[in-house]
Amino acid sequence: NAGVTQTPKFRILKIGQSMTLQCAQDMNHNYMYWYRQDPGMGLKLIYYSVGAGITDKGEVPNGYNVSRSTTEDFPLRLELAAPSQTSVYFCASSAVKGKLFFGSGTQLSVL
Amino acid sequence: AQKVTQAQTEISVVEKEDVTLDCVYETRDTTYYLFWYKQPPSGELVFLIRRNSFDEQNEISGRYSWNFQKSTSSFNFTITASQVVDSAVYFCALSEDTGGGTSYGKLTFGQGTILTVHP
Repeated sequence: NAGVTQTPKFRILKIGQSMTLQCAQDMNHNYMYWYRQDPGMGLKLIYYSVGAGITDKGEVPNGYNVSRSTTEDFPLRLELAAPSQTSVYFCASSAVKGKLFFGSGTQLSVL
Repeated sequence: AQKVTQAQTEISVVEKEDVTLDCVYETRDTTYYLFWYKQPPSGELVFLIRRNSFDEQNEISGRYSWNFQKSTSSFNFTITASQVVDSAVYFCALSEDTGGGTSYGKLTFGQGTILTVHP
C-alpha cells in the first residue's frame, strides 16, 4: 500500500500560470480532502469530496478547482496562480469515521 | 464557528523531560471530535489520536497521554520522558459531527506547537 501519493513535491510557478496538483490513494477511501498550510499556521481546508463525482468547497476554495472522476484520484487545479497561493498543499483521505491519511505534501511557490 | 487555539508556539525541552502541549477549542456543537496530529521534519502529518465529545476518559499510549476536559474545553497532550525523535510540530484539530461521516475530515486546525527536544 502506497497510501496517499502527491505529485509533484516541489513546484515554482510564475504569476498567472496554471497547474494541477495530483493526488492518488490506494486505500479505497471514499473521502478525500485538500488542505493548504501557510508558514506558522495550521492547515485550512480547500475542497473535499465524499465520493466519485461529488465535491464541495471548504474554507478557502477561491482560486482552486477540483474534480473526482474516480475513487482513487483527486486532483487540485490552480488557475491564474497568485503569490497568495504560495503554500504547502496536502491531500488526505479517510474512510467513514476513520482517521485521515495525509500525503507528503507539495511545496508551491508563486513568483 | 469552530476555533482551536494552541497557545504555545514553540517549546524547547531537554531529553527525558515531560512536556505538555495545550489545546483549547471552541464549538457550538454538542457532538464533535478532537484530534492530535504530528508533523515531523519530513513534513507528512501523522494521526495520533481521535476523541469524541462524549468520551472524557483520559488516554495513555506508551509515553503519550491525553487529557480531555469538556468543562474547560481543553484537550491537552503530554509526552512523558521526551526523546529527540519527538521533535516535530504538533497540531490539535476539531471536527463537528454532522452525521454521515462527511465531517470527519473537515478539520479545523490549531496553529501548531513546535516541539524541540534537545539531547
